[in-house]
Order: sequence, then C-alpha cells, then structure tokens
Amino acid sequence: DTGVSQNPRHKITKRGQNVTFRCDPISEHNRLYWYRQTLGQGPEFLTYFQNEAQLEKSRLLSDRFSAERPKGSFSTLEIQRTEQGDSAMYLCASSSINRVNSPLHFGNGTRLTVT
Amino acid sequence: AQSVAQPEDQVNVAEGNPLTVKCTYSVSGNPYLFWYVQYPNRGLQFLLKYITGDNLVKGSYGFEAEFNKSQTSFHLKKPSALVSDSALYFCAVRVATGNQFYFGTGTSLTVIP
Repeated sequence: DTGVSQNPRHKITKRGQNVTFRCDPISEHNRLYWYRQTLGQGPEFLTYFQNEAQLEKSRLLSDRFSAERPKGSFSTLEIQRTEQGDSAMYLCASSSINRVNSPLHFGNGTRLTVT
Repeated sequence: AQSVAQPEDQVNVAEGNPLTVKCTYSVSGNPYLFWYVQYPNRGLQFLLKYITGDNLVKGSYGFEAEFNKSQTSFHLKKPSALVSDSALYFCAVRVATGNQFYFGTGTSLTVIP
C-alpha cells in the first residue's frame, strides 16, 4: 500500500489557462473520488469513478471541469479557462468496493493558485 | 439532503485533559460515519468509522467516537489529549445506499502544553 499519489503538489497559473492534475490511487482500489477544499471549509465532492466509469458528478461542477479515468487506474482532472475562484486544494481519494464500508484514503492534494 | 454539522470551529484543551469534538448529521437512511484528521498542507487521514454494532468505536491514536442515533450525533473523544493531536478534524457521513461522502466544515483542535 503506497498510498494515494497526486501530482503536482502545487500549481500556479494565470487566469484563463488550462491545468491538469493527476491522481494515482491505491492499486487495488476501484473507486476514485475528486474533492475540492477551500480555506476553512470541508472537502466538497466533485466527481466519482468506479473503475473507468464516471458514475456521479456534482451539479455544482462547472462545464470547465472534466475528469477521466481511462483505464480504471490513474485519473486526471482538467480545468479549462481557469478563474480566480478555482483557487483551492484539489483532493483525490480512493476506496475499495471489495471491502465493505471502506473509508476514503486521501492523497496530499494539489494546491492550485490562479493569479 | 445529507449534511454534517460541526458546531465548533475551534476547540482548545490543555494537554492531558479529555477532549471532545462534536459532530451531528442529517441523512435520509442509515448513516455510515467517519472521522478524519488533517495536518497542514496534507490530505485527510482516516481515524475511525461507525457502520453498525457497538455505539462506541475505537480508532487510531487513542481516539474513539460515540454514535447516538436519537441525537444524530457522532462525537469524537480522547481521554487524554496530546500536543501532537493539534490539527483539523473532519466528520463525514455516507448513506448506506449511496456513494458520496459528505464532510463537515471542520474543527480546529489546539492542545495547549
């Protein structure tokens, strides 16, 4: 169990640019989640995959956000035409469908700053 | 709608004293409840969970939590606080029939030496 890995740890970008984050879940975990966390708030759900299928997506998620998990392993989260309001910590988490009531295992996040 | 409330933004406790971090929830259905801890610039670390069975569950680092169905609460406790327990604590709930985890806004715990 090497844990959930997220890259990059930090990203500074100018408004209007596109950014992409990567998440490598724990290898045997087939569920993968993306969350966003702003200062003073708890993690906010963005989207959820089971294997390669994106099963849920937050209604709050702008069309500028897209996530993929093409082979059911790693996942990418892309934000197009970034805005200052996108500045946040983006957290990835994984869990196992094979273990009943498995908790989420989080990565250390990618901190995005949009200038 | 599912939700979690952590009524205290900040909790201060002296080292060696017992600590309690409060959490209440609102769900439609049977709840699965979780506590996580977050250190600066890190992701959330799982502490403990309640699924079914005994209302008192024990977790990592000496923490425990008590599920109270009538009060819809799941308070985190520790008999004797350590300075190293100072961190941000999050309560989360998942409905038994769902996949989403809903998080509270967090409680910052400071243990004073």
